[in-house]
Amino acid sequence: AQSVTQLDSQVPVFEEAPVELRCNYSSSVSVYLFWYVQYPNQGLQLLLKYLSGSTLVKGINGFEAEFNKSQTSFHLRKPSVHISDTAEYFCAVIEGQGFSFIFGKGTRLLVKP
Amino acid sequence: DGGITQSPKYLFRKEGQNVTLSCEQNLNHDAMYWYRQDPGQGLRLIYYSQIVNDFQKGDIAEGYSVSREKKESFPLTVTSAQKNPTAFYLCATHHSSNQPQHFGDGTRLSIL
Repeated sequence: AQSVTQLDSQVPVFEEAPVELRCNYSSSVSVYLFWYVQYPNQGLQLLLKYLSGSTLVKGINGFEAEFNKSQTSFHLRKPSVHISDTAEYFCAVIEGQGFSFIFGKGTRLLVKP
Repeated sequence: DGGITQSPKYLFRKEGQNVTLSCEQNLNHDAMYWYRQDPGQGLRLIYYSQIVNDFQKGDIAEGYSVSREKKESFPLTVTSAQKNPTAFYLCATHHSSNQPQHFGDGTRLSIL
């Protein structure tokens, strides 16, 4: 069965520092992977997606993620964060032909001045 | 603009009352979903629908009901049987298996 684990519930970081938000998944079949961002009292906005091809995926707002099949990971990175990046980040996975998305419990990124 | 509209943005429920949350989309997506979000618990699936006139229970369907009479609309009713309805409710759509879900802006439901 699918599952998604976001290892950190909260990540504090200073402005302009790099950040990595970790995501691991379990699945026995091929998957598609996504990262979403959620600002307070709003819906989820897609940051980036991995469908196939290059394992390094670039998204909006300067974020990127790397798909590692052997480690079943899809960690999100940004080389230099801004105050405006403070938000909740969700990793999600869907199996090849399925309709059921599985979400991690989220990581709150707190960027401090 | 194409998108998903959830209404109202804020909703209050009295004891013993049923309330209905609206979700409308003009993305022409076949699949629609309802999630409940509580602090620290991520998104939990309530119901989903892959086609008109068909829907399936998710992980936490008890106390909720849905209908899918039109492709564009997937309303969620929170019934009086749902004893702890206070949460943020998100509607999402999906076009095909290798594409992401799209989300509305959510409805925050509180108890009076």
